[in-house]
Amino acid sequence: ETGVTQTPRHLVMGMTNKKSLKCEQHLGHNAMYWYKQSAKKPLELMFVYNFKEQTENNSVPSRFSPECPNSSHLFLHLHTLQPEDSALYLCASSQVETGEIGQFFGPGTRLTVL
Amino acid sequence: QKEVEQNSGPLSVPEGAIASLNCTYSDRGSQSFFWYRQYSGKSPELIMFIYSNGDKEDGRFTAQLNKASQYVSLLIRDSQPSDSATYLCAVLGDSGYALNFGKGTSLLVTP
Repeated sequence: ETGVTQTPRHLVMGMTNKKSLKCEQHLGHNAMYWYKQSAKKPLELMFVYNFKEQTENNSVPSRFSPECPNSSHLFLHLHTLQPEDSALYLCASSQVETGEIGQFFGPGTRLTVL
Repeated sequence: QKEVEQNSGPLSVPEGAIASLNCTYSDRGSQSFFWYRQYSGKSPELIMFIYSNGDKEDGRFTAQLNKASQYVSLLIRDSQPSDSATYLCAVLGDSGYALNFGKGTSLLVTP
């Protein structure tokens, strides 16, 4: 256990559904991240939040909408997804002031879009 | 953007041997480096981090930095089949807290 939890762990959704992924960190960190990892592909950074402010959006399609209500919680709202969006979605957190000790990942949500 | 390059592998080593994984980085000013291990279907797990001031050893794992040639190595001594995983190298980015990840090297330790 890294202190970062994600729910649900598995999600199957249709292309017309709306769902949300949730991430919570219990480490007292103030930076949170969403990554996408498709099968046999490298990590793709999607969004970065620093003290609840979005600081990075790496050209992610608008069908992915992040929300960070506070430093401990991060959501990824999904709507009208495509089958190619099926992937492992990883949340991570770190401390802005001590970034040199790394990021800690949650277990991920395995998303399948039918 | 600080680029991080890794050979995708797979790197195959026999059980008990030393596995050597390398990663090159583009920014000569980079100061903090990380190695993550990722088992298939699981999330990355931080196994070591080092700073520009020296190498680090932790059990069977040693991380070494070669600043002149801009590469970081991870050595795994007495490799075990349970070490078979993808190893991700990362460098601390310009923000001071976000990391730039390499694509990972797949390691296979054969019994």
